[in-house]
Amino acid sequence: KAGVTQTPRYLIKTRGQQVTLSCSPISGHRSVSWYQQTPGQGLQFLFEYFSETQRNKGNFPGRFSGRQFSNSRSEMNVSTLELGDSALYLCASSLANGPGDEQFFGPGTRLTVL
Amino acid sequence: AQSVTQLGSHVSVSEGALVLLRCNYSSSVPPYLFWYVQYPNQGLQLLLKYTTGATLVKGINGFEAEFKKSETSFHLTKPSAHMSDAAEYFCAVTAPDSSASKIIFGSGTRLSIRP
Repeated sequence: KAGVTQTPRYLIKTRGQQVTLSCSPISGHRSVSWYQQTPGQGLQFLFEYFSETQRNKGNFPGRFSGRQFSNSRSEMNVSTLELGDSALYLCASSLANGPGDEQFFGPGTRLTVL
Repeated sequence: AQSVTQLGSHVSVSEGALVLLRCNYSSSVPPYLFWYVQYPNQGLQLLLKYTTGATLVKGINGFEAEFKKSETSFHLTKPSAHMSDAAEYFCAVTAPDSSASKIIFGSGTRLSIRP
């Protein structure tokens, strides 16, 4: 069974631009979650989608948004990029995102904002 | 509210030596606890988890952890370190009534293995 895939793996943007990251979950998984990983803040939860609906949201500004398609693939968008948005963005999928469910992580997209 | 504290941002052991990575948690409800490993340029992989039942949990790659409620700890151990164990390890906590994605991660411990 193929794992979680994320594209692109690396991205370089400049301040003020916007970016879209893509995540394909494991086949059959309906929940997709996004995390931001930085050296200073560690791993922080962005949001979670289940059956095309955002179910949970972390404490990030509205510049960070996402969506999920009917095939469970998900995209994350960051508008008006800031230097502090430079990070590794991880996507994780699970069957239903129930308590204790294992999340399967993709390799991440490393975003650099210049 | 829940939180996780990992003691030691960097741990170095010799190959064949005991690995001990420390994790203490704070939770107002009985927690679900996890250890994840992250290899360079990769995502996180679940090593093991504790939800209910037996407090000694065995995971992949020879790792195990023991849930000690009285000490609010969930330390990760491996009897004999291997070079391939070099990675970053994250302890994490969720509440039993919380979705899996609302997981609180510790700051991570980088494990180095000396030949």
